Amino acid sequence: EDQVTQSPEALRLQEGESSSLNCSYTVSGLRGLFWYRQDPGKGPEFLFTLYSAGEEKEKERLKATLTKKESFLHITAPKPEDSATYLCAVQDRSGYSTLTFGKGTMLLVSP
Amino acid sequence: DAGVTQSPTHLIKTRGQHVTLRCSPISGHKSVSWYQQVLGQGPQFIFQYYEKEERGRGNFPDRFSARQFPNYSSELNVNALLLGDSALYLCASSLSLGNEQYFGPGTRLTVT
Repeated sequence: EDQVTQSPEALRLQEGESSSLNCSYTVSGLRGLFWYRQDPGKGPEFLFTLYSAGEEKEKERLKATLTKKESFLHITAPKPEDSATYLCAVQDRSGYSTLTFGKGTMLLVSP
Repeated sequence: DAGVTQSPTHLIKTRGQHVTLRCSPISGHKSVSWYQQVLGQGPQFIFQYYEKEERGRGNFPDRFSARQFPNYSSELNVNALLLGDSALYLCASSLSLGNEQYFGPGTRLTVT
């Protein structure tokens, strides 16, 4: 059974204070790892897909990286508008191409 | 381009009733998936449809059912509602199986 564990559960940063979120996963065969951003009461917003170890993707202040066991979402010089819950999900190569999500990391950036 | 749309936005039902939730995918997307998200948890997979056929089913009771129509829109039905069915129900669409999924705003279901 696919499993995704995200840490920390919650993170509070000052504006401009860089940090990283972790996503550890167990999957029989990884098709893809996905990062989403979710604002309260809204649907998840797609950020990145990573397919193989060593791959990196960047978007504004966010950079996602992937190893064989985990993924990191690095946030450089965050702003208050980056406050949200960040979700990580894996897609297994075998069987259905559905997403298995972690519980998310709730990020709060204070001005 | 319009994103994934879902209706209704909010819904309040009583235990034992049934509910139908609707989803329209992004134009050109042929796969629709349904997820349930309870407070403080990540979304949990319920169903996946591709080209009007069920391609995946999560660990949910038979009270949950779904279908996809020729225009690729989809319905999620839940019978005999329980208090524990209260959640945000999310629909996601993708071009095909295995592609990234784009989520709608969700339907907030409250069962009293």
